[in-house]
Amino acid sequence: DSGVTQTPKHLITATGQRVTLRCSPRSGDLSVYWYQQSLDQGLQFLIHYYNGEERAKGNILERFSAQQFPDLHSELNLSSLELGDSALYFCASSVGRANTEAFFGQGTRLTVV
Amino acid sequence: QQQVKQSPQSLIVQKGGISIINCAYENTAFDYFPWYQQFPGKGPALLIAIRPDVSEKKEGRFTISFNKSAKQFSLHIMDSQPGDSATYFCAASTNAGGTSYGKLTFGQGTILTVHP
Repeated sequence: DSGVTQTPKHLITATGQRVTLRCSPRSGDLSVYWYQQSLDQGLQFLIHYYNGEERAKGNILERFSAQQFPDLHSELNLSSLELGDSALYFCASSVGRANTEAFFGQGTRLTVV
Repeated sequence: QQQVKQSPQSLIVQKGGISIINCAYENTAFDYFPWYQQFPGKGPALLIAIRPDVSEKKEGRFTISFNKSAKQFSLHIMDSQPGDSATYFCAASTNAGGTSYGKLTFGQGTILTVHP
């Protein structure tokens, strides 16, 4: 168990809908990262928050947004969902801003039908 | 320049053998190189990591070899066991500022199968 908690584990939703994925980082970790894993794209970085502030953005679609709350948990919001958004979404946390050990949660498997 | 290229895509090894997975990078600003192990239905788990000030790091049966001049690093799994069968990802990140700050850039993964 990495100590990173993601909910829900599975999510099935229809095209055009909006969903929210939640992540609780390990105790003491200030950084939260979101990654998308698909068969054709591999593990792709989406966004990084450190202590409530956005630090870096990857190839995150404009339909996707995230935030980190004062208690350090994070939410990833996906809207106007398309079939191609079906993937595993992982949250990772680390204690520092960069180049420190990052621990991944179990992921949320999103299926858009 | 942000890519990390990993090979082979898949690897079959007999129990007790050595598994070797290779990665190459282009971005000279990368200064942290972890390896992750992922089982089906699970998240990636950190195995071992290295920084470019050393050429080798060993933890149990897992060893990272790092060649800074060639911009390559590899994972060696000694005495491979069936329980090691998983997907392995190399990754790299940089402490430099900008859009790459802190993010892990992953290789495409290697599916390792260890036969009994």
